[in-house]
Amino acid sequence: DAGITQSPRHKVTETGTPVTLRCHQTENHRYMYWYRQDPGHGLRLIHYSYGVKDTDKGEVSDGYSVSRSKTEDFLLTLESATSSQTSVYFCAISGTGEISPLHFGNGTRLTVT
Amino acid sequence: AQKVTQAQTEISVVEKEDVTLDCVYETRDTTYYLFWYKQPPSGELVFLIRRNSFDEQNEISGRYSWNFQKSTSSFNFTITASQVVDSAVYFCALSEGGSGGYNKLIFGAGTRLAVHP
Repeated sequence: DAGITQSPRHKVTETGTPVTLRCHQTENHRYMYWYRQDPGHGLRLIHYSYGVKDTDKGEVSDGYSVSRSKTEDFLLTLESATSSQTSVYFCAISGTGEISPLHFGNGTRLTVT
Repeated sequence: AQKVTQAQTEISVVEKEDVTLDCVYETRDTTYYLFWYKQPPSGELVFLIRRNSFDEQNEISGRYSWNFQKSTSSFNFTITASQVVDSAVYFCALSEGGSGGYNKLIFGAGTRLAVHP
């Protein structure tokens, strides 16, 4: 299994509070991604990173920010959580070369009340 | 715009039946990649297969097979002699590609497969 650890695994928070989710990898992969999974939508890309301090927006980036200060860590921050951000969040990594498959962490279930 | 459609929301079969999961995609790219992932009830996402747009050969891996047809923009997945352990949500995905080497996958909504004993 790809060495990807997401923390926390579960979190309940209140509307308006900031939340940070962490993704840690031990594979030294260059590319990292944050997706959210919602019923009827599959997985949708929030942000991705193509190197340390190099990040870009995905399909559903509004309300989210990311940071990558080290190769192994990719943080997703909800500046002011809303109920619409209740979801399961997956971090993924991929290597270089030909388009590599994404390998996913085990997910973080976030509930915003 | 790129899009992946999995029209079957849920499929229910009895063990040992064959089942095909449909995937239709839209893209303007001439070079692209298609993927299938499995999400069992435990929730993790498991990579099953990657296929590039230049390789239209069907692929078989044990009880799993994949039929890629560019003419119909489809990449269907068949499970032969299904088993209870095949019960999962299956996602088809299309790579938006990128000269940078990153892989921005566009996922379908998924098909939930229930295999009953």
